[in-house]
Amino acid sequence: QVLLVQSGAEVKKPGASVTVSCKASGYTFTSYEINWVRQASGQGLEWMGWMNPYTGNTGYAQKFQGRVTITRNTSESTVYMELSGLRSDDTAVYYCARGPEVLFLKGPLDVWGQGTTITVSS
Amino acid sequence: EIVLTQSPATLSLSPGQRATLSCGAGQTVRSNCLAWYQQKPGLAPRLLIYDASNRATGIPGRFSGSGSGTDFTLTISRLEPEDFAVYYCHQYGTSPLTFGGGTKVEIK
Repeated sequence: QVLLVQSGAEVKKPGASVTVSCKASGYTFTSYEINWVRQASGQGLEWMGWMNPYTGNTGYAQKFQGRVTITRNTSESTVYMELSGLRSDDTAVYYCARGPEVLFLKGPLDVWGQGTTITVSS
Repeated sequence: EIVLTQSPATLSLSPGQRATLSCGAGQTVRSNCLAWYQQKPGLAPRLLIYDASNRATGIPGRFSGSGSGTDFTLTISRLEPEDFAVYYCHQYGTSPLTFGGGTKVEIK
């Protein structure tokens, strides 16, 4: 069974950083991209960036450039998303989602983590 | 970036009725790289349709997708009680990936 399991909810102060983890199981970790998507309460879905776990290559949405960093630990089959300079409008549920096979480059997000709630409040 | 506009914002229907959801793109979606997701409160999105018209694994046959270029449609042939949810379209053909604003299908 393909699963993505994310770390738990966090509360952070403005200006702080947060790291969310996403542990993959049930498939070959390095064979599929991992993407990050967030959703503010009652709002739509917003794509943040992606990683190729095989090469370590990443790409980020322009809105988050300079504030988001995606890394991985292949021995732990885990991808991490760090968001820095937190603001109140970063309060949202953050999802990791499996993207296409790394050789295909394009594909839907077919498996999603359960989501991690990040609350930014003073 | 490719802006996706979904309509209507809310669809009020009864179980057994047909639902037709639209997704319009501001530019041509490359290779019809268009997906539809269903999301229920408190849960992650669930992939329904990919490449505009292919059902994902385990998705019932009452869900179908169509369209190409800039105009796409998700059809639910006969609504079941569990189908009342929010639906999002998503293009993955061009970076940055983008999502539509969603259509809520609610019980009339």
